[in-house]
Amino acid sequence: EDKVVQSPLSLVVHEGDTVTLNCSYEVTNFRSLLWYKQEKKAPTFLFMLTSSGIEKKSGRLSSILDKKELSSILNITATQTGDSAIYLCAVPMNRDDKIIFGKGTRLHILP
Amino acid sequence: NAGVTQTPKFRVLKTGQSMTLLCAQDMNHEYMYWYRQDPGMGLRLIHYSVGEGTTAKGEVPDGYNVSRLKKQNFLLGLESAAPSQTSVYFCASSFRPDGAAQHFGDGTRLSIL
Repeated sequence: EDKVVQSPLSLVVHEGDTVTLNCSYEVTNFRSLLWYKQEKKAPTFLFMLTSSGIEKKSGRLSSILDKKELSSILNITATQTGDSAIYLCAVPMNRDDKIIFGKGTRLHILP
Repeated sequence: NAGVTQTPKFRVLKTGQSMTLLCAQDMNHEYMYWYRQDPGMGLRLIHYSVGEGTTAKGEVPDGYNVSRLKKQNFLLGLESAAPSQTSVYFCASSFRPDGAAQHFGDGTRLSIL
């Protein structure tokens, strides 16, 4: 059965800390992995990682895909209170255009 | 600059009632999705559509029906609402099939009593 597992489910850190969020997957014919950020309402797209693009960076956020370990990490350096959100990992299924999301990591940054 | 618009934003139903959630996008996207989000469960795909006139089942399709008669609209129907369908429903659209760059609506909070 295809699945996407995120850890930890919840994380509380202080402003300025660095955090690492994890996403592991078990899917047939993997092609890409997605990261989304969800603040109050709608999720917003962060990164897509593929076999040809295993590392992405945007400001203080960066993500790496480890195809050998079937996992990805999302790093946030010098965290700010505005980084508080649910971070969602998703993997599209190759065979039928479905998209499977993990349960998300709820990150809370203390001032 | 509307993007993806969901109506209504909130609704309370009684068990057994029916209703339709409307999703409208103005970006000419082919792909549209309905998700539900429950506490601690992430997003779960209910139904999706790869183009006008097409629909397909996602992870949790039971109790829901959908229609995509026009490219810009994706309707989610509950024929006989049950308390287990209390959730926040999100619609999303994309120009690509791989889940990247999905644009989400602000969600519909639905309570079934």
